Amino acid sequence: DSGVTQTPKHLITATGQRVTLRCSPRSGDLSVYWYQQSLDQGLQFLIQYYNGEERAKGNILERFSAQQFPDLHSELNLSSLELGDSALYFCASSVALAGGGTQYFGPGTRLLVL
Amino acid sequence: GQQVMQIPQYQHVQEGEDFTTYCNSSTTLSNIQWYKQRPGGHPVFLIQLVKSGEVKKQKRLTFQFGEAKKNSSLHITATQTTDVGTYFCAATNQAGTALIFGKGTTLSVSS
Repeated sequence: DSGVTQTPKHLITATGQRVTLRCSPRSGDLSVYWYQQSLDQGLQFLIQYYNGEERAKGNILERFSAQQFPDLHSELNLSSLELGDSALYFCASSVALAGGGTQYFGPGTRLLVL
Repeated sequence: GQQVMQIPQYQHVQEGEDFTTYCNSSTTLSNIQWYKQRPGGHPVFLIQLVKSGEVKKQKRLTFQFGEAKKNSSLHITATQTTDVGTYFCAATNQAGTALIFGKGTTLSVSS
């Protein structure tokens, strides 16, 4: 158990819909990272927040957004969903500000868009 | 953009055989991390290498960072069925803001 929690574990929705994925980092970790894992693209970095502020952006689509709240939990919002958005979404946390520190991954949310 | 190439993509071995996965970059890396993801699981941090030529061991696992800090390898001696999973290397991007993951090497082991 990494100490990072993610909800829900599974999500099935339809194209065009909007969903919210939730992540709670390890106690004491200020950084939260979001990743998308699909079979053909591997593990893709989406976005990082540090202590409530957006720190770095990766290959995140404009239809996707995230935020980190004062209690440090984070939410990833996916809108206008397409079939290709079906993937495993991981949240990771670390104590470090920069992206080079050890990251602890949550169990992931498996999203299926029908 | 910055990429980390990992080979092979898949490897099947008989239990007891050795296994090696390689990670390569065209640019000098500040560090390299290795993660393991079991089937149905999430990536778990294994180790971080920082120094040129660094070698670290964890039981049957040996990690190396190249002298030029552009490549790394993970070697498993005498594989066991518990070694099954996907092994990822990851490097900090040049801006220092994110980890760039290789596409992973998926290891299967038959007994």
